[in-house]
Amino acid sequence: EDKVVQSPLSLVVHEGDTVTLNCSYEVTNFRSLLWYKQEKKAPTFLFMLTSSGIEKKSGRLSSILDKKELFSILNITATQTGDSAIYLCAVEVRSGSEKLVFGKGTKLTVNP
Amino acid sequence: NAGVTQTPKFQVLKTGQSMTLQCAQDMNHEYMSWYRQDPGMGLRLIHYSVGAGITDQGEVPNGYNVSRSTTEDFPLRLLSAAPSQTSVYFCASSLTGTHYNSPLHFGNGTRLTVT
Repeated sequence: EDKVVQSPLSLVVHEGDTVTLNCSYEVTNFRSLLWYKQEKKAPTFLFMLTSSGIEKKSGRLSSILDKKELFSILNITATQTGDSAIYLCAVEVRSGSEKLVFGKGTKLTVNP
Repeated sequence: NAGVTQTPKFQVLKTGQSMTLQCAQDMNHEYMSWYRQDPGMGLRLIHYSVGAGITDQGEVPNGYNVSRSTTEDFPLRLLSAAPSQTSVYFCASSLTGTHYNSPLHFGNGTRLTVT
């Protein structure tokens, strides 16, 4: 069974802290790994990773994939209260048609 | 550009009632899907469609039907609502079914309560 595990499930930090969110996976036929941010409503796309060791960066957020050890991390530096959200990791699996398997998410709370 | 539009935003049903959750996208996306999100469970795929006239089951299809008569619309039907279907439902679309080159765009969700 394809599985995506995120840790920690929740995290509370102070503004200015740096956080690392983890996503590990066990899937039959890996295609890509995606990160989404979910605030109050719809998840919004952050990053898509397909190759090991290549960092994707957008402002204070960055992510990297390790296909040998089967995990990805999402780093947020100098956190702000606006970073408070649920961060979802999803792995695209090739199985006839592609499917996305989501982790349970990490709820990040950034306090002022 | 409206993106993915879901209606209604909230719905309360009694056990046994039926209803349809609407989803429409205006991005000419071929792929559309329905997810449910429950506390501690993440997003789980209910049904998906890779194009008009084609639908397939996801991880948790029981109790739900879908159809895709047009590229734009992908309604989700609950045949006989049960309390276990209390959840937040998200519709999502992407240009193609291969997400590594076309990430999913999500609607704002429908919060459904079945009493």
